[in-house]
Amino acid sequence: AQSVTQLDSHVSVSEGTPVLLRCNYSSSYSPSLFWYVQHPNKGLQLLLKYTSAATLVKGINGFEAEFKKSETSFHLTKPSAHMSDAAEYFCVVSEIQAGTALIFGKGTTLSVSS
Amino acid sequence: DTAVSQTPKYLVTQMGNDKSIKCEQNLGHDTMYWYKQDSKKFLKIMFSYNNKELIINETVPNRFSPKSPDKAHLNLHINSLELGDSAVYFCASSQETGWWQFFGPGTRLTVL
Repeated sequence: AQSVTQLDSHVSVSEGTPVLLRCNYSSSYSPSLFWYVQHPNKGLQLLLKYTSAATLVKGINGFEAEFKKSETSFHLTKPSAHMSDAAEYFCVVSEIQAGTALIFGKGTTLSVSS
Repeated sequence: DTAVSQTPKYLVTQMGNDKSIKCEQNLGHDTMYWYKQDSKKFLKIMFSYNNKELIINETVPNRFSPKSPDKAHLNLHINSLELGDSAVYFCASSQETGWWQFFGPGTRLTVL
């Protein structure tokens, strides 16, 4: 069975400082992993995806994530936070081979202060 | 052009009423989904259709009934609305089940 754990419910950073949002997963197969972002009162937007190609994945808006099988992690990072990055972030796991639906983490709220 | 659209964006209604939310995708995807997001932002899948056939039906009260007239549309009908149904409902689509999904803007349902 697959599951995903976002280790921090809330992360606060200052503008211009690095961002780290942590995610651990559990999967019986080779998983696919995604990060989605949800800005206030908006829908979810795909930030980046890992589907068994390169382990370092680059996404939109300067975000990237690294798939580490030995640590079962898929942490999201950004070198320098911007005010517009303030949003809810969801780590998501899928077992494409099993044809299952996506399993969402509980989300991490990112706050960015000036 | 909007990839996944939902109507209405806001829905305010009284307990006991019946309401519907419509969803359309123009991406040519085979699979569509309905999610419920509660006040704590937790997203839970409700239903999934692949080529108009129901493939995922999570533990959802049978007051909720999805209908897929064609693979570009997945509507959600809710009977006898209850206070606990208040949430944001998201429609999504993907090329195949388990692939990354494209989400609609959401429908905020408030039951009074």
